[in-house]
Amino acid sequence: DAGITQSPRHKVTETGTPVTLRCHQTENHRYMYWYRQDPGHGLRLIHYSYGVKDTDKGEVSDGYSVSRSKTEDFLLTLESATSSQTSVYFCAISGGALSNQPQHFGDGTRLSIL
Amino acid sequence: GNSVTQMEGPVTLSEEAFLTINCTYTATGYPSLFWYVQYPGEGLQLLLKATKADDKGSNKGFEATYRKETTSFHLEKGSVQVSDSAVYFCALLANTGNQFYFGTGTSLTVIP
Repeated sequence: DAGITQSPRHKVTETGTPVTLRCHQTENHRYMYWYRQDPGHGLRLIHYSYGVKDTDKGEVSDGYSVSRSKTEDFLLTLESATSSQTSVYFCAISGGALSNQPQHFGDGTRLSIL
Repeated sequence: GNSVTQMEGPVTLSEEAFLTINCTYTATGYPSLFWYVQYPGEGLQLLLKATKADDKGSNKGFEATYRKETTSFHLEKGSVQVSDSAVYFCALLANTGNQFYFGTGTSLTVIP
């Protein structure tokens, strides 16, 4: 199994509070991704990173920011959480398009915002 | 643009029945194609992949053939088991850029 660890695995918080989710990899992959999974929507890309300090927006980036100060860590921050951000969040890693390699996923973080 | 369209679920089958989950795609260039499986409470796991036209990916009795002429990558299994109950996602990786595109998922329930 690919070495991907997401933390925390579960979190309950209140509207308006900041929340940071962490993704840690031990595979030294260049690309890291954050998705949210909601019923009826499948997986939607929030942000991704193509290297240290290099990030780009996905289709549902509003209300989220990311940072990648080290190859192995990719942080997702909700600056001021809203109930619409209640979801399951998945981190994924990849060697990139040139490698034709698949993404590997973490086990997810279930986030509830009350 | 790039997109994946997947068969709507949920799908319910009896054990040992034949399974087909349809997947079609739109992509620029020559994408790689994947099927992922997600069991309850877990992340997505790669099930199989194909990286060029006419390639057949296979794993655990599941198969899918990359059909460029019909832009399809349908998932099949000849005899499903209760343990195959899960959500299945079709995905593509375009050969330009590094984003993956996922279908909305198809829930499969196999009853004894």
